[in-house]
Amino acid sequence: QVQLVQSGAEVKKPGSSVKVSCKASGGTFSSYAISWVRQAPGQGLEWMGGIIPIFGTANYAQKFQGRVTITADESTSTAYMELSSLRSEDTAVYYCARDQYCSSTSCSSYYFDYWGQGTLVTVSS
Amino acid sequence: DIQMTQSPSSLSASVGDRVTITCRASQSISSYLNWYQQKPGKAPKLLIYAASSLQSGVPSRFSGSGSGTDFTLTISSLQPEDFATYYCQQSYSTLYSFGQGTKLEIK
Repeated sequence: QVQLVQSGAEVKKPGSSVKVSCKASGGTFSSYAISWVRQAPGQGLEWMGGIIPIFGTANYAQKFQGRVTITADESTSTAYMELSSLRSEDTAVYYCARDQYCSSTSCSSYYFDYWGQGTLVTVSS
Repeated sequence: DIQMTQSPSSLSASVGDRVTITCRASQSISSYLNWYQQKPGKAPKLLIYAASSLQSGVPSRFSGSGSGTDFTLTISSLQPEDFATYYCQQSYSTLYSFGQGTKLEIK
């Protein structure tokens, strides 16, 4: 049974950074991409970016380029999302989600089939 | 970037009704379209992938159709547990994007 377990809630000051973790179990970590999706209070889902551990490559939504860094540690099956220069508008629940399956030559299954429980990040002075 | 537009934004319906939600992409996305259900305080749940494939464990009253730019999610006979918010998501581009959501409420 695949599980994604995220780190706990955070309260941050404007201008600071936050790093959220997502530990995977029950599957082959390196072969699946991990995406990060956020949801501001009362708002919809917003894709931030993702990483394919087997390739070590990340891509980011243009809105977050330069402010977000997504990494993965294959030794611990954990993905991380770091968001910098926080502002009040970044207050949201941040989710990790399992994404496409990739072999050494190709990828498939482009959908989010497993999700973490969400991490509330509150940005407040 | 590919923009996804859902309609309606909200919808009131009764148990037993047939409901259709529409999602339109700003450019052709072939069949790279997924649907999710989200209940308050919970993570989204995958319902339909690749426009029309039912995710394992999802009731057969849910179905998806479409290709290119226009897609639909249909619930054939609404059950009480189906009242939630539904999102479409394109995976044609490596820069994924979601629709704004459709909130399905009890009439």
